[in-house]
Amino acid sequence: SQTIHQWPATLVQPVGSPLSLECTVEGTSNPNLYWYRQAAGRGLQLLFYSVGIGQISSEVPQNLSASRPQDRQFILSSKKLLLSDSGFYLCAWRDRGRGNEKLFFGSGTQLSVL
Amino acid sequence: QQQVKQSPQSLIVQKGGISIINCAYENTAFDYFPWYQQFPGKGPALLIAIRPDVSEKKEGRFTISFNKSAKQFSLHIMDSQPGDSATYFCAASKPGSARQLTFGSGTQLTVLP
Repeated sequence: SQTIHQWPATLVQPVGSPLSLECTVEGTSNPNLYWYRQAAGRGLQLLFYSVGIGQISSEVPQNLSASRPQDRQFILSSKKLLLSDSGFYLCAWRDRGRGNEKLFFGSGTQLSVL
Repeated sequence: QQQVKQSPQSLIVQKGGISIINCAYENTAFDYFPWYQQFPGKGPALLIAIRPDVSEKKEGRFTISFNKSAKQFSLHIMDSQPGDSATYFCAASKPGSARQLTFGSGTQLTVLP
């Protein structure tokens, strides 16, 4: 069965520090991968998605970047965090086969920038 | 531009009652409409989904009603239980290699015992 791992679960970082959040998927190959951000009490905002290794699409211009160095690995990064980067970050995956619309989320990382 | 509008923002229901959450969409290219359930500190979990070729889908106590002409769909939770207390999100996606989901703003449901 497929599983998605996301870490760390919580993170407290000072303003101006770098960020690296990692997500890996097991039990599938060539998935679509996504990074979402959820502000407190708000909906989910799509940040980045990837349809293959090295292929990254950005939905919202911001202080963050994403990379996909391996088929089932998706990394969210920042060189210098801002206060506004605080939020709940969620990685998600989807099988790319036709008819597979279901999107599955990881357990999330709660990031607090102080 | 918000492409999926969800209401109400919060909902309080007595145990055993019916919870109803509504969503409206704008983009007629959308062809997949899921609902997600999220508990505090957890990632959203897929609850139920529908495609526009059917008007209703039922799974246990959860039912999606879909009105293609009105571009609206809703989630009905029958016999609501305190364990159903969570935030619910509707979403929509259209065909394409990425099939990004566009989410509604969420509804915080509280079921009183």
